[in-house]
Amino acid sequence: GQNIDQPTEMTATEGAIVQINCTYQTSGFNGLFWYQQHAGEAPTFLSYNVLDGLEEKGRFSSFLSRSKGYSYLLLKELQMKDSASYLCAGIYGGSQGNLIFGKGTKLSVKP
Amino acid sequence: DAGVTQSPTHLIKTRGQQVTLRCSPKSGHDTVSWYQQALGQGPQFIFQYYEEEERQRGNFPDRFSGHQFPNYSSELNVNALLLGDSALYLCASSGLAGPDTQYFGPGTRLTVL
Repeated sequence: GQNIDQPTEMTATEGAIVQINCTYQTSGFNGLFWYQQHAGEAPTFLSYNVLDGLEEKGRFSSFLSRSKGYSYLLLKELQMKDSASYLCAGIYGGSQGNLIFGKGTKLSVKP
Repeated sequence: DAGVTQSPTHLIKTRGQQVTLRCSPKSGHDTVSWYQQALGQGPQFIFQYYEEEERQRGNFPDRFSGHQFPNYSSELNVNALLLGDSALYLCASSGLAGPDTQYFGPGTRLTVL
């Protein structure tokens, strides 16, 4: 299978920076998504990386290294509302393939 | 511009029953994927529909079936419900003409008693 691994839980302080790592199997890999999911709600799209490098979008940035099978999501200037699960998902089997999700990283932001 | 919609929001069934969940994709999208998300887990891919046919399927038994209509909306059917089928069922839509990004609906929370 295409194992997607990410830490189960992380804690950070309001105003700080946090990096959530994700590793994946590279065989058949097409791209990597990050989604945010608040408890009881649907995942919302944050970023999509296909090429190596860092993509910045406001307070959130996502990095991809295809050769290393590694990605991270960087959240800056953390706010209490950023407390949520962050899902890393790889797309395999073509650009319209299915998403393979990790189990999610539950981020708790404390005052 | 309406996003992905799903119905119903919540559903309670008993073991052995059958259930049908519905999804309308985001405007301009023609591909619908269904996922099952158990509590505390990431979503797991069930199947994907495009041009009214099942294009890809994940590791789910035949009790899980689906359909896509000419207007791109979709249904997920689950027969002979088991307690383990209790989960949040998510529908995601995407478009061939645009980016690969899949946008999720609010989900249907299914509880099997």
